[in-house]
Amino acid sequence: DGGITQSPKYLFRKEGQNVTLSCEQNLNHDAMYWYRQDPGQGLRLIYYSQIVNDFQKGDIAEGYSVSREKKESFPLTVTSAQKNPTAFYLCASSIDRENEQYFGPGTRLTVT
Amino acid sequence: SQQGEEDPQALSIQEGENATMNCSYKTSINNLQWYRQNSGRGLVHLILIRSNEREKHSGRLRVTLDTSKKSSSLLITASRAADTASYFCATDAPGAQKLVFGQGTRLTINP
Repeated sequence: DGGITQSPKYLFRKEGQNVTLSCEQNLNHDAMYWYRQDPGQGLRLIYYSQIVNDFQKGDIAEGYSVSREKKESFPLTVTSAQKNPTAFYLCASSIDRENEQYFGPGTRLTVT
Repeated sequence: SQQGEEDPQALSIQEGENATMNCSYKTSINNLQWYRQNSGRGLVHLILIRSNEREKHSGRLRVTLDTSKKSSSLLITASRAADTASYFCATDAPGAQKLVFGQGTRLTINP
């Protein structure tokens, strides 16, 4: 899991509530990413950030929001607008876009 | 958008045998990466191979890349129970600004 931490490991929320997932890295990486993984599936990109104070939507950004106020931190908020929020969420970072990504251990979010 | 597609979706072999997984993609790439994911965990980077490279090795892992066929293969030699995991390929295409992951191959090593 390298120098990336995600908390908490498991998260339970009621439908209609916003929830924020934490992602912190101490690798001094410029780029950070959020992915969603559903059972038996690959990873789908939610948001990514190449540099502090800048981020772009990925393939499935609807119902999610992010901020990148510090190089080390890239929190993801799952809003009540996300229709199917129950999933495994993975954060990653890399030196830059062209190099390998380092992943955190993931947060499993369950919304009921 | 799906770029890399792994084949087979699932593979079960005996410990000590070699395991081969394949990845096909649709567009030109800067590089192709292979990752491993143990159940319920984050992904771990295995090998990155650039478009001008044909083969790379790392321990018991061997990756080949054929850009003319738009395909790559991951070979794990002398498999061990600890190799049981899902393996994903991911492609970095020019101008894409992101990696695109395939659906993965689920590898089971039987003792």
